Amino acid sequence: EDQVTQSPEALRLQEGESSSLNCSYTVSGLRGLFWYRQDPGKGPEFLFTLYSAGEEKEKERLKATLTKKESFLHITAPKPEDSATYLCAVQVFTDKLIFGTGTRLQVFP
Amino acid sequence: KAGVTQTPRYLIKTRGQQVTLSCSPISGHRSVSWYQQTPGQGLQFLFEYFSETQRNKGNFPGRFSGRQFSNSRSEMNVSTLELGDSALYLCASTLDVANEQFFGPGTRLTVL
Repeated sequence: EDQVTQSPEALRLQEGESSSLNCSYTVSGLRGLFWYRQDPGKGPEFLFTLYSAGEEKEKERLKATLTKKESFLHITAPKPEDSATYLCAVQVFTDKLIFGTGTRLQVFP
Repeated sequence: KAGVTQTPRYLIKTRGQQVTLSCSPISGHRSVSWYQQTPGQGLQFLFEYFSETQRNKGNFPGRFSGRQFSNSRSEMNVSTLELGDSALYLCASTLDVANEQFFGPGTRLTVL
């Protein structure tokens, strides 16, 4: 059965304290891996798409990487406005998106 | 460019009633997907429509149904509401089926 697991469930960081979020997956066929950010009461906001192992994407303080079994979202020198839930989703060959349950990030000043 | 819009934003219903939610995709996007989000289960895929045809379906009972119109707007319907149907229902649109999905703000459904 296709499965996506995110860790940790929650993460508290001091402003400026870099860290990484993990998304591991076991799926029958990977078409792409997506990262989203979700703020309370809002829909997920698209961040990155990764298609093949070794690929990396960057946007401001965020960098996403992909291996054959997992993806990391690295957050460098986070700010309080980076506080949100970060969701990982895997698109399988049927084009369905399977989401992890997310990592709730809190960044304190 | 306007984003994905969903109406209504909030809805309160009682058990046994039915509800219809609406989603207007980004202009030019042809694929619309629906998700249910709850604190315990996270985002669960309901179904996907492309050019008025259902392409994929998640593991939800037949009480959940949807459709897509020729202008790509989509509706989902839930009949005989149960307490467990209380959730945030999200709609997402894509330009084509394999592209990244862009989400609307969601409809918060509360079943009493």
